[in-house]
Amino acid sequence: DQQVKQNSPSLSVQEGRISILNCDYTNSMFDYFLWYKKYPAEGPTFLISISSIKDKNEDGRFTVFLNKSAKHLSLHIVPSQPGDSAVYFCAASVRGGSNYKLTFGKGTLLTVNP
Amino acid sequence: EPEVTQTPSHQVTQMGQEVILRCVPISNHLYFYWYRQILGQKVEFLVSFYNNEISEKSEIFDDQFSVERPDGSNFTLKIRSTKLEDSAMYFCASTGLTGYTFGSGTRLTVV
Repeated sequence: DQQVKQNSPSLSVQEGRISILNCDYTNSMFDYFLWYKKYPAEGPTFLISISSIKDKNEDGRFTVFLNKSAKHLSLHIVPSQPGDSAVYFCAASVRGGSNYKLTFGKGTLLTVNP
Repeated sequence: EPEVTQTPSHQVTQMGQEVILRCVPISNHLYFYWYRQILGQKVEFLVSFYNNEISEKSEIFDDQFSVERPDGSNFTLKIRSTKLEDSAMYFCASTGLTGYTFGSGTRLTVV
């Protein structure tokens, strides 16, 4: 039951270029979406989130776009840096306060080449 | 910056043995969670806990699993009789006004 899908297991990008990571979801009840970055042997680290009332959220080099009609979101990293190399997880939830579970995608391994 | 602390970082156990994974959530957070990630697969929700009760659990969280907040700081996950397929990274998390904070995880290896 893949409610959150990341169809690209890996992505390789040159330093300085844009990285675009994609995520699709099937559950129309999801109203809050997050991106996490994960290094080996560490827990997921929060990057950026977006509520379903918005279609774009920006934080420095990171921008998340949400297309509700297509049930699609994407994370743009500009410019990409070698330190961005990690696994990126898309997550979604039905948020009703501070108690909510996250449904994760399988992740995309981003490699940024110097 | 406040952290969620998990111990041990790596646990090896014999099949059929009981294990307890420990977590210290962020002190002013009220909601606590366990997630797991089997190698090469996605991170999966196991259970959420609030006010000394389970608020939600997944299908994975069967009778072999239990959670407890034995004192004011620790939050534990117990697996009563481990199976080979319980081998995974187990992540504790807590939420407050600023959202989720995950711990670094415990790698459980069942042999």
